[in-house]
Amino acid sequence: DVKVTQSSRYLVKRTGEKVFLECVQDMDHENMFWYRQDPGLGLRLIYFSYDVKMKEKGDIPEGYSVSREKKERFSLILESASTNQTSMYLCASSFVIRDIGSGANVLTFGAGSRLTVL
Amino acid sequence: DAKTTQPPSMDCAEGRAANLPCNHSTISGNEYVYWYRQIHSQGPQYIIHGLKNNETNEMASLIITEDRKSSTLILPHATLRDTAVYYCIVRGNSNSGYALNFGKGTSLLVTP
Repeated sequence: DVKVTQSSRYLVKRTGEKVFLECVQDMDHENMFWYRQDPGLGLRLIYFSYDVKMKEKGDIPEGYSVSREKKERFSLILESASTNQTSMYLCASSFVIRDIGSGANVLTFGAGSRLTVL
Repeated sequence: DAKTTQPPSMDCAEGRAANLPCNHSTISGNEYVYWYRQIHSQGPQYIIHGLKNNETNEMASLIITEDRKSSTLILPHATLRDTAVYYCIVRGNSNSGYALNFGKGTSLLVTP
């Protein structure tokens, strides 16, 4: 069964700590995404990547960075965690659609990582 | 991307069909309708998608109106495990990013 695996389901960190959230997919997908989900706000896109070493900012990139050194792995980095980054973080991946109209863009999500910053 | 409107919540009795509506009156010709669901404390799960024609798979059916301005996701025999938040998303394919914008969805409660 194909999977998107997030390294930690639950993390507790302290303010100011550097936090790494890891995501690995085994579907050979080009695209990978990081979302965060908060009550009442839905899923918000932080960053995405459409190729190795490529990254694009999403809607809320402030306070985050990402790394994509290998196709299967996409890391989200909180350089100095703050309490307002307490959230559920969701990783997803998908294929690149090379021809517009050639097919739909289906995202596969991981189970999520619930981060608490104290 | 076209904006979608969904009711915030719905109830359905177990064993009955659950019909979840979605309005997307500004949809354009090359935009797909996607449905995902999210069971509590899990990542969203893809259900089905369509462009113009009605679609059916092992999970659900998708009915798209002829003018494409609205659609309905049908769970033919809802079970308690179908209790989840259901997201309707409209998105075209483009070469500049493939992220899907999830709104607040419809919270479906299936009751015994």
